This record gives sequence, structure tokens and C-alpha cells, in this order.
Amino acid sequence: DAKTTQPNSMESNEEEPVHLPCNHSTISGTDYIHWYRQLPSQGPEYVIHGLTSNVNNRMASLAIAEDRKSSTLILHRATLRDAAVYYCILRVGHGLMYSGGGADGLTFGKGTHLIIQP
Amino acid sequence: DGGITQSPKYLFRKEGQNVTLSCEQNLNHDAMYWYRQDPGQGLRLIYYSQIVNDFQKGDIAEGYSVSREKKESFPLTVTSAQKNPTAFYLCASSIEQTYGYTFGSGTRLTVV
Repeated sequence: DAKTTQPNSMESNEEEPVHLPCNHSTISGTDYIHWYRQLPSQGPEYVIHGLTSNVNNRMASLAIAEDRKSSTLILHRATLRDAAVYYCILRVGHGLMYSGGGADGLTFGKGTHLIIQP
Repeated sequence: DGGITQSPKYLFRKEGQNVTLSCEQNLNHDAMYWYRQDPGQGLRLIYYSQIVNDFQKGDIAEGYSVSREKKESFPLTVTSAQKNPTAFYLCASSIEQTYGYTFGSGTRLTVV
């Protein structure tokens, strides 16, 4: 399975932009890049996902490198409520029937613990 | 509002007992998943189901069992064969793999 590498923790100030990096050098052409975040004792929350082009939604932006070997989640104006663990994950996009082995399930590493200072 | 409901939120079990965790979704999602999370760790996939009456083992299926008799429901049984069952269990669903997952709020299981 393609894996991702993220910094263990990052710190930012409230109301400033935050750029969370993710490396995925073994990504395949059909892997989607997903980002989730998790607050303590809660389930992960979907943030954004993309394949090749940069993506924007109400929560964040996702910038994907041209070679797709890295991506950056951008929180444009961090608030205290954005303090969480952020996971960058690859998800295979074959279709409902998988021809190869391996589970259809996102593989979550330890993520990046984002700390927001007031 | 649509979503995933996990119950109970907290569960205590005596050693040697089986226990079933509930997961219900009203999102009309085909695929459902069970994950386990230990303190300070990421999520590990236990079982997943892409369609009713079919399910597949994930990375750590030993000591667990599931069923998928209805599209809306995907209960997880933690059996006495699971050697270290104390953990935070998360259920998720997805319409298909190009879209995001929706997670439940989790069940914290403690073996006493």
C-alpha cells in the first residue's frame, strides 16, 4: 500500500494561515489524496480530497504537486477549533470491485498534531 | 440529518465475554468499515463491507467478527479470542472510494 509521511506536530498562531505538508512518493496514478482531522475522543472528520488538480472547499484547500508525490493542506485562517490531528491518506480509486489484494480501507498513520496558539 | 450512529459510547466488558458494538447509517452508503484506534496511534482497519451480505478482513481481523445483513447496519463483535480488546472503535461508511468517508463518534471499549 502506498504510504504517506507527515510531521508529527506543527504549531501556528490563531488567524494565520497553516500549511500542513504530506509526502507520498509511492503514490500510484489511481490513488486519491484524502485529508481528515480528528479531535480527542471523536471520530475523524473528512476535510478534503483530490486526485490531480488543486481543490478548494469551505474548510480548506488542497494543493497537489505536479508529480503528485506531495501535497499540502491549507487552512487559510486558523482558529482554535482547528487544533486537531490531521491525517493525510491515500485511497485507491479502482471502482467497487478490487482486482488486487489489500483492503479497501484508508490506512491511517499517526498524522500531524496541529497546535493553535491564541 | 443523515449520519452514522455508534452505540454505546462507552462499554465495559469482563475478560472472556463477547461483546457487540452497533453501527447504523442512514446515508444510503454501500460500503462500511470498522477501525480500531489505540492511544496516540492511527487507525487500523478491522473489517470492511462493500455490499450487503459480503465483507472482507482488514489488517487486524483476528478476534473480531462482523455481519452485514442490512445496508444500514454493520455490527462488530469483539470475541474472547481478541487478546487486547481495550481500544477506541470507529465505524465509517462511504458511497464509493472516490468520495470521502463519514465516521461515527466511536465506542470506547474497556476490558475489566
